[in-house]
Order: sequence, then C-alpha cells, then structure tokens
Amino acid sequence: GDSVTQMEGPVTLSEEAFLTINCTYTATGYPSLFWYVQYPGEGLQLLLKATKADDKGSNKGFEATYRKETTSFHLEKGSVQVSDSAVYFCALSPSNFGNEKLTFGTGTRLTIIP
Amino acid sequence: GAGVSQTPSNKVTEKGKYVELRCDPISGHTALYWYRQSLGQGPEFLIYFQGTGAADDSGLPNDRFFAVRPEGSVSTLKIQRTERGDSAVYLCASSFNRGGNSPLHFGNGTRLTVT
Repeated sequence: GDSVTQMEGPVTLSEEAFLTINCTYTATGYPSLFWYVQYPGEGLQLLLKATKADDKGSNKGFEATYRKETTSFHLEKGSVQVSDSAVYFCALSPSNFGNEKLTFGTGTRLTIIP
Repeated sequence: GAGVSQTPSNKVTEKGKYVELRCDPISGHTALYWYRQSLGQGPEFLIYFQGTGAADDSGLPNDRFFAVRPEGSVSTLKIQRTERGDSAVYLCASSFNRGGNSPLHFGNGTRLTVT
C-alpha cells in the first residue's frame, strides 16, 4: 500500500539557518503530495501541496518539489524563524483529484532557537 | 469564521465503556473526515463522509468503531467496548468538497485515554 517516510526528528536549528526535511513516498499511480504543519496548541493545517511531477509547492517561504524520479517531496526553507517551530507532516493522497484518505508520515518536530 | 470544532477536547474512560466523539465541521463543508493519531505517529485515515453518507470507511479498525453524519453536518464517532489500544488523539477535518483544490481544515482533536 501507499506509504510516506519522513526524516526522523526532532530537528533543532538556529534562527536564519537553512532547513531541509526529507520526505519520500511509495504509491501507485499519480498521487498528490502535501506538507501539513501543526503549531503548538493548534490543529493541523495545510502548508503547501503539489499535484503532479515537477510541480513546486510554496507558502510562507517554504518550498517542496514533486520529484517522481526519486519519489521525494523534501521541504526546504532558506532562513527559518522562531515562529516556524512546529511539527511538520508529509502526506500523500492517492489521486490527483480527491483529498480523502491521506497517508501521513510520522512527523518531524522542528525547534528554532533565537 | 469558526473552524472545525471537536468535543470533548479530552476524554478519559474505563476499558469496556462506550464513548462518543463529536465533530462540528465548518459551515457549508460537504466533506468530513476522521483520522486517528497515536503517540509518535502521523494521523491515520478512519472514515470519510460526502454529505450524509460514508463514502469510504475502510480505515475503521474493527466493528467496535462506527461514525454517523445524519444531517450532513455534525458527525459523531462512536467506539464500543473501548480497549487501551484505542487511546489516541481523534482528529476531524472538513473540506468544501472532495476536490484537490479544496484543502482539509482540521480540528484540534479529542484526546481519548482508556484506562
């Protein structure tokens, strides 16, 4: 079945450092790929998405590119801020249309220190 | 506007008891989803409603779990004969429709502890 493997955490970085959180997936067909973020005390929220190969999702300075050849969707940010401290989840949806039945990775806890 | 509301936020129950978890989706959202998140894991899909009907319940772990959405809005997840392994955070999400351009909006979850 479908699966998502996410970089083990926790990750601790200094403010303004470069961030990469690795995500690889296994799926049949053409999944859509997502990054969700959970800030302290809040619900999961969509950070960015990509629905087809070579698409780049971006939001709030974060980027991720859908790489079908390496089955990857790594999350990057050039200069992190303290406010980026959160848990990040990579996820896939088994079609390029629906949202249902997301498969999530285990999450990566990111802490940014000033 | 109001987001997805889940009640209670915390529930402690004894093994063998029955529990109900409630989800109030965002008004006008036709799609509603339940996920379960165990400690240290990502959310796992349980069931998906489109309107009043369960379009996909393949994630429900066994027949002790059941969910309803009788009027196409509020949903209740029901767990019979609870077991310690049912302890987790139960997440509800809604979206305007099932389309890929309609993002999921998650509630803060109900933390269920079975003692």
